[in-house]
Amino acid sequence: DADVTQTPRNRITKTGKRIMLECSQTKGHDRMYWYRQDPGLGLRLIYYSFDVKDINKGEISDGYSVSRQAQAKFSLSLESAIPNQTALYFCATSDLRADRVRTDTQYFGPGTRLTVL
Amino acid sequence: DAKTTQPNSMESNEEEPVHLPCNHSTISGTDYIHWYRQLPSQGPEYVIHGLTSNVNNRMASLAIAEDRKSSTLILHRATLRDAAVYYCILTQGGSEKLVFGKGMKLTVNP
Repeated sequence: DADVTQTPRNRITKTGKRIMLECSQTKGHDRMYWYRQDPGLGLRLIYYSFDVKDINKGEISDGYSVSRQAQAKFSLSLESAIPNQTALYFCATSDLRADRVRTDTQYFGPGTRLTVL
Repeated sequence: DAKTTQPNSMESNEEEPVHLPCNHSTISGTDYIHWYRQLPSQGPEYVIHGLTSNVNNRMASLAIAEDRKSSTLILHRATLRDAAVYYCILTQGGSEKLVFGKGMKLTVNP
């Protein structure tokens, strides 16, 4: 079984709909992240969470919200989806507590392809 | 965040070594050099990282220039599975952020 799973893997929705993307991890990591990737571009950080009570905005958080329901679960919501939110979304985890040299190596899920019509 | 510069693309032949360059002239003393790669239709995958000394692991080797302003990811025998977009990223120790640029597309010819 994969260590970092994302659901759904593909989603097509309409403008104005509320969408939730879910991420679960079995790695026992404390940190979790949400990124988006647009065609031909690198990944951009949306939100990150250092633990259940610590949520932080990334570089492109507008239009998104997150919830860290448990150490293993981190959800990304689009309250009112718009077409320019069409992208690949990746969840990632890292474990600073175990990373003694504090290099924040991140482990990524398989991604969710979201299309907003 | 300190910036890295990579070629847009490179080609290599299967079973030959390939050297992927990265320039990071504004690197600070506490920045780690990370390499990730992203295979088609998959999430990024950690490859290797280093600070000052050259590093080897089962996937690749990382050669870091003495002044740390550049580094080279070395795949000793490229396989078709190594065809991917490779990202060279600088991270500060303890930082939460990986800043991904556009990366470099590696094509491996059979």
